[in-house]
Amino acid sequence: EAQVTQNPRYLITVTGKKLTVTCSQNMNHEYMSWYRQDPGLGLRQIYYSMNVEVTDKGDVPEGYKVSRKEKRNFPLILESPSPNQTSLYFCASSSRQGGVATEAFFGQGTRLTVV
Amino acid sequence: DAKTTQPPSMDCAEGRAANLPCNHSTISGNEYVYWYRQIHSQGPQYIIHGLKNNETNEMASLIITEDRKSSTLILPHATLRDTAVYYCIVGQAGTALIFGKGTTLSVSS
Repeated sequence: EAQVTQNPRYLITVTGKKLTVTCSQNMNHEYMSWYRQDPGLGLRQIYYSMNVEVTDKGDVPEGYKVSRKEKRNFPLILESPSPNQTSLYFCASSSRQGGVATEAFFGQGTRLTVV
Repeated sequence: DAKTTQPPSMDCAEGRAANLPCNHSTISGNEYVYWYRQIHSQGPQYIIHGLKNNETNEMASLIITEDRKSSTLILPHATLRDTAVYYCIVGQAGTALIFGKGTTLSVSS
């Protein structure tokens, strides 16, 4: 079954304690991205990756890091979380082969609370 | 910023067709129209996409005007489970999806 898996689904942490949210896809997709969703602000892209070892900033990258060492994994790293990073996070993946539009698959989300 | 304009909310009776409009007057020639929906706080779910021609799949139909400046997503027989926020997105293949506020569709019995 095609899927994007995020872990953990829920996380409560304290300010400044480094954390990593994992994202894995089983579809051999080249393109992966992270979004955060906040009330009234909708879904905003944090970082994206067009392929292994290729990452770039989205609209709201401050306070986040990512890496793409393998095609299937795209972890989101918060080196020093702050309360304003309390949000619902989604990972997504899609294919970029041939420049043809395809559907993006989203994970189930990670609800992060930073206290 | 999102390149699309959608009504903030719509209502539909169960079993009737739901027609969700979207304006994208600045769409360029190589940009697709995508539709996604989000139920509660789940991950967005792909519905359909198109470039110029009308498209249909098992979930919905997409009608794109000839000038491509607007489109309509049609859910032919809405059910209570179709209650969700529907996003119309315009973009090139293989690039970021820029989400707007979407349309909250409420289906009632």
